[in-house]
Order: sequence, then structure tokens, then C-alpha cells
Amino acid sequence: DQQVKQNSPSLSVQEGRISILNCDYTNSMFDYFLWYKKYPAEGPTFLISISSIKDKNEDGRFTVFLNKSAKHLSLHIVPSQPGDSAVYFCAASTGGNKLVFGAGTILRVKS
Amino acid sequence: EPEVTQTPSHQVTQMGQEVILRCVPISNHLYFYWYRQILGQKVEFLVSFYNNEISEKSEIFDDQFSVERPDGSNFTLKIRSTKLEDSAMYFCASSSADTQYFGPGTRLTVL
Repeated sequence: DQQVKQNSPSLSVQEGRISILNCDYTNSMFDYFLWYKKYPAEGPTFLISISSIKDKNEDGRFTVFLNKSAKHLSLHIVPSQPGDSAVYFCAASTGGNKLVFGAGTILRVKS
Repeated sequence: EPEVTQTPSHQVTQMGQEVILRCVPISNHLYFYWYRQILGQKVEFLVSFYNNEISEKSEIFDDQFSVERPDGSNFTLKIRSTKLEDSAMYFCASSSADTQYFGPGTRLTVL
């Protein structure tokens, strides 16, 4: 099941700089997209979401951009902090039902 | 801040035994979910539950699996006869609308 793809297994960023995590999807029926952060041995923690009727949503240091024509979304973290180091999952749903997850991207923020 | 809780954090069982994983969703949520993550793989949907019945289940959720909301607070996942391949992290989630909030997970190890 490759409906949601995160093609970068890992990303390394300097503290204070921008982190950009990318996600692509294939199912045009998806209408809600979410980003989760996960530490080892913990559950996914909700970060930010976006509905398909919007193209941008911002919450503090986190901004999610949605490009429906390209079936692409991205998460921007500005400025990046060492505490942001974790695995980031993109997920999508249709009508608020089951979530389909990407494989995750490991973000390392170096101080 | 309300959160989803899960017990136990780690369960070790022998192949063929029954296990029950427990979850306490966020109190005003109406939608409940189970997901699992096999080591090195994606988080994958198992089942969703609303209004005391299953609303959707994946092909993984076969006759060996069942869910129950035995009282007003708990939500359980039962695996009747565990197999080696059931070893995974099991996450419970709940929602009141589109955003699902996850518990810390139960690590199930089948020997």
C-alpha cells in the first residue's frame, strides 16, 4: 500500500535553520492530512493538520503546505530546535476515517 | 491535557495464547481505533469503532481479532490465538472529529 509516501528516510538540519519534510500521496479522495511526531517507544503525537480545502495551515513554528494538483504536502519547521529530533509521519484520511501513514522521516537537528 | 492511555506497556505471551490490550480513550471522544506497527514497517490501520460497533476494519483484522467497549471508559483489543507475526507495537487512538490522538502503545512480543 503506497498511497502515502515519504521518500526521504532521514534529514539532518542545523539548529535555527528550516526543516522541510515532504510527503506525496496518490489517492485523490484524501481530504484531510496530518503530521505526527514520534519518539522511540512512544505513540505518535499530533502536530498539525490541514483540510483539502486549504493550502496552508500554520501553528507556531510549524506550517503545513498542501499542493493538491501535485498531490504533495510539506511540513516546515522554523526555527528548528534539537528537541525537534524525532521521526515525522505524514498521514491522510478520507472523511475522517482510518489514517493511512507514510513510512516516516527521521529528523536530526544538530546543535 | 487529556490523553489516551494504554495498558500494559509491554506484553510477552506464548504463541497460541490469548491477549487483551487495553485502552482508555479521551473521555469526550466518540471514535476509537487500533493501529499496529511491526518493527521497521509503517503504522497500519486495524479497526475503527463507533457507536458500539465496528465501522471499518482492515484485511489484517481477521477472526482472531475482536474489539469491545465493555464500559464507558475502556476500549479493548483481543487477539484470540496469537501468532509470531502478531509481534508489534499496538496503538490505540481516539477522536471527536478528524484528528486522531494516539496512546503510548503496547509492545506485544509473541514467543
